[in-house]
Amino acid sequence: DADVTQTPRNRITKTGKRIMLECSQTKGHDRMYWYRQDPGLGLRLIYYSFDVKDINKGEISDGYSVSRQAQAKFSLSLESAIPNQTALYFCATSDPGGYEQYFGPGTRLTVT
Amino acid sequence: LAKTTQPISMDSYEGQEVNITCSHNNIATNDYITWYQQFPSQGPRFIIQGYKTKVTNEVASLFIPADRKSSTLSLPRVSLSDTAVYYCLVGEGYSGAGSYQLTFGKGTKLSVIP
Repeated sequence: DADVTQTPRNRITKTGKRIMLECSQTKGHDRMYWYRQDPGLGLRLIYYSFDVKDINKGEISDGYSVSRQAQAKFSLSLESAIPNQTALYFCATSDPGGYEQYFGPGTRLTVT
Repeated sequence: LAKTTQPISMDSYEGQEVNITCSHNNIATNDYITWYQQFPSQGPRFIIQGYKTKVTNEVASLFIPADRKSSTLSLPRVSLSDTAVYYCLVGEGYSGAGSYQLTFGKGTKLSVIP
């Protein structure tokens, strides 16, 4: 079984809809991250969490919110989806050093 | 944050050694250098990390000169399956001051040719 799982893997939604992307991990790491990747670009950090009570904004947090329900679960929400949020979304975890991150398979989100 | 500069793309034939160089002129004393590999539609995968001199693992080698203003990822005898995007990251990870320092740039797209 994969160490980091993301659901759904693919999602098409309409402008204005609320959508939640979920991430679960079995690595026992405290640190979790959400990134987005646009075609031809690198990954940009949306939010990160160093433990259940810690939530931090990343480079591009506007339009997104997160919830850390447990050590193993970190959800990303788009309260009112817009077309420019169409992207590939990755969840990741890491040990305390933070250098080696373990990524999930990604969620491809399309907002029409 | 230390910015990194890498070639946008590289081509190589199977069986050759590939060296990808990353420039990071304003690297800080506490920064480490980390390389990731990403295949299409997959999440990045950690390859190697170093602070100075040379680091080698079963996948690659990382060469870092004394001034640490650049680093070179070396992939020995590449195969078609090494076709991927390679990212150079420079950062302190958790700085202890509440900020997060790792940034993924656009990476280098390596194409291995039969």
